[in-house]
Amino acid sequence: QKEVEQNSGPLSVPEGAIASLNCTYSDRGSQSFFWYRQYSGKSPELIMSIYSNGDKEDGRFTAQLNKASQYVSLLIRDSQPSDSATYLCAVMTSSASKIIFGSGTRLSIRP
Amino acid sequence: DTAVSQTPKYLVTQMGNDKSIKCEQNLGHDTMYWYKQDSKKFLKIMFSYNNKELIINETVPNRFSPKSPDKAHLNLHINSLELGDSAVYFCASSGQAYSTGELFFGEGSRLTVL
Repeated sequence: QKEVEQNSGPLSVPEGAIASLNCTYSDRGSQSFFWYRQYSGKSPELIMSIYSNGDKEDGRFTAQLNKASQYVSLLIRDSQPSDSATYLCAVMTSSASKIIFGSGTRLSIRP
Repeated sequence: DTAVSQTPKYLVTQMGNDKSIKCEQNLGHDTMYWYKQDSKKFLKIMFSYNNKELIINETVPNRFSPKSPDKAHLNLHINSLELGDSAVYFCASSGQAYSTGELFFGEGSRLTVL
């Protein structure tokens, strides 16, 4: 089992709709979770972090965490073409020694 | 000013050659990392240095040798390059070892081994 798993996509969503990205992780003791966005040919950039169960909202982005299910998700409301990118889920290990990335979900917003 | 800069951005070389990638950060961070991203976008930690001291050394062939002359610089030397080394290598830094989880990445160095 991979430490952080994501559906590779591509996920195609119409402009203006909600894009839902999912991630599961194997280290039950993990406490810190992150979503990075990576445009094609560019470096990853942090867009959301979440540490507690529940939802965390920042503008059009909402991160959701369920530690019991070892599940993290990212919702993007009112999707824009500029949201088209690969979204990487990342988890800090329980020992806080490193951040493990998933393989990313490629999101495409169609006009 | 670029926060984390890597050179070169592109390397194309033959199998068996040796190559180096350099990284510098001007953010005043204590911790620097090398990540490898393969063609499937999988981003994997290779090494981490905290204030010049090696703290993470993943299962990486010993052909890869990192070096941190000071906390603002982290270089990666690769000996006897193989086809499977082709990837994008990202340098990153953070304030303290993963204190906030925010990694600041360089632009990446795309290595192609022929």
